[in-house]
Amino acid sequence: EVQVVESGGGLVQPGGSLRLSCTASGFSFSTYWMHWLRQGPGERLMWVSRISYNGGIITYADSVKGRFTISRDNAKKTLYLQMNSLRVDDTAVYYCAGASNGRWHWGQGTLVTVSS
Amino acid sequence: DIMLIQSPDSLAVSLGERATINCKSSQSVLYSLNNQNYLAWYQQKPRQPPKLLIYWTSIRESGVPDRFSGSGSGTDFTLTINNLQAEDVAVYYCQQYSATPHTFGQGTKLEIK
Repeated sequence: EVQVVESGGGLVQPGGSLRLSCTASGFSFSTYWMHWLRQGPGERLMWVSRISYNGGIITYADSVKGRFTISRDNAKKTLYLQMNSLRVDDTAVYYCAGASNGRWHWGQGTLVTVSS
Repeated sequence: DIMLIQSPDSLAVSLGERATINCKSSQSVLYSLNNQNYLAWYQQKPRQPPKLLIYWTSIRESGVPDRFSGSGSGTDFTLTINNLQAEDVAVYYCQQYSATPHTFGQGTKLEIK
């Protein structure tokens, strides 16, 4: 059974940092591109970042470029998102997803709230 | 960025009837080398993550009822739900994964009439 589980969300003040983690099972993690996406309150889904299966290709949405860093550890089947200089408009449920051959496996999400 | 516009924003359909949701892309999401349209459809219920219904425009994800079907090519796509059931009440999103940023439509809210 495919499982994707995010963790690390919480309440943080503007300008603060958080590190999200995502552990995967039930599929070949090291052969999948991995993505972070988010959904703010009442908003549409937004793609945040992606990393290729071996970490050689990394891409970010313009709104997070220079502030967020995606990484992966294939031995641990874990994806990370280091989020720095957080802003109020980064408040959202953050989802991790693994993608291969058109199929995306999503996690349940973790809530990040940026507020003073 | 590729923009996806869904229509309508919301619709109400009677049980057992057909619901049709459209998704129009600002650029083609057809990749000529493999002749695939990089377009997916998701269903999202309140307080739940998106659920993949359709990928490569028309391939149903495992376990998705065959009442759900996808069609289209290039810039115009459609999700059709036949024989609408009460459990189909949700917000539906299209997504393109042809180019980054991988954008989503604004969502279509489906209700029972």
